[in-house]
Parts: sequence; structure tokens; C-alpha cells
Amino acid sequence: KAGVTQTPRYLIKTRGQQVTLSCSPISGHRSVSWYQQTPGQGLQFLFEYFSETQRNKGNFPGRFSGRQFSNSRSEMNVSTLELGDSALYLCASSLGLSGLSLNEKLFFGSGTQLSVL
Amino acid sequence: AQSVTQLGSHVSVSEGALVLLRCNYSSSVPPYLFWYVQYPNQGLQLLLKYTTGATLVKGINGFEAEFKKSETSFHLTKPSAHMSDAAEYFCAVTGSQGNLIFGKGTKLSVKP
Repeated sequence: KAGVTQTPRYLIKTRGQQVTLSCSPISGHRSVSWYQQTPGQGLQFLFEYFSETQRNKGNFPGRFSGRQFSNSRSEMNVSTLELGDSALYLCASSLGLSGLSLNEKLFFGSGTQLSVL
Repeated sequence: AQSVTQLGSHVSVSEGALVLLRCNYSSSVPPYLFWYVQYPNQGLQLLLKYTTGATLVKGINGFEAEFKKSETSFHLTKPSAHMSDAAEYFCAVTGSQGNLIFGKGTKLSVKP
């Protein structure tokens, strides 16, 4: 069974640009969550999608948005990039059958390393 | 509000020695607690989790953790460290937004 796939693996952008990251969950998983990982702030929750709807959201500005498609693949978009957006962005998938499925196992992808210059 | 504190950003042990990684949590509701491991350039992998029931939880790769409500702790241990255990370890607790709240992580080094 293929794992969680995130593309691209590395990305370099400049301030003010926008970026789209992609996450393909494990087949059969309907929940996709996104996390930002930085050395200073650690791992922080961005949002979670289930059946094409945002089900939960963290405390990030509106420049961070996402969506989920009918095949459960998810994209995350960051507009008007700032230097502080440089981070490893991780997505995780799960079956999503029980609320945010914290009683289910989360499977993480290897992440997209975004550098903003 | 929920929070997690991991004591020690870096821990170094010798191969074969006991591994002890400390985690204390704060939660206003009965917590679900997790330990994840992250190897270089990889995502997070679940080691073990506590939801309800037995307070001593056994995970993969010989790791275990004990939930101590009175101490609000969930320390991770392994009796004998192996070189392949070198990685970053994250403790996490369930958040009110249906998410995981992670500690800052502890990097484990294993000396030969």
C-alpha cells in the first residue's frame, strides 16, 4: 500500500509569491491534516479536511488555505509569502471515521520543505 | 488549554544504555497522548499512544511509555539504546480543535 505522498519535496520561492503544495493520502483515507514545522515554533496544526470540507482549523492567518478533492487528495495554498513561512509542511492522513480520528492512526508524509527568500 | 513540555532538547546516550525522554502535559480533559519519531528528511511515525485503559503502553521498536496522571507525565523509555534509535522524538496531546499539540521535540543521539 502506497504511503502518504507529498509534492514537491523542495520548493524555493520569493517574498510576495504564492505557493501550492499537494498531498495524496493513503488509499481509502478520507481525512487529511496539515502541519507546519519550524525550528522555532515546532509542529503546529494548520487545518484538517474530511470529505472535501474543512473540519478543523488552527490559528494561522487567512493567507493559508486548503482544499480537498473528491479523491481525497488535498492541496494547501499560501499567498503573499513571508520569510517566516519557510518551514517543512507535513500532511497526515487517516480513515477519518471518528471525528478528527485521534483514536485512529495518523500516517505522515515526508513533507515539503519550503524556503522563502 | 492543552500543552506539552519536553524536558531536554538534546539527549545523548551510549549504545546499550537506558533511553529516557521526558514529557509533561497539561490538559483540561482526559488526554490522549502520543509519541512520534522523526528520522532525518522524513515525516513522523507513531511510536505509541495512550487513550484509555492500561497506563503502561508498549510501542514499536522496543519503546514504552507510562501515563502518570498524578504527575501529568508520559515519559518514553527503552531499556537498551541502539544506533538506529538516533532521531527526533515528539510527544503530543490532543487539542481542543481536534488536532495534535506537539512538544518541541527531543533529539536523541546514540554513541557507539
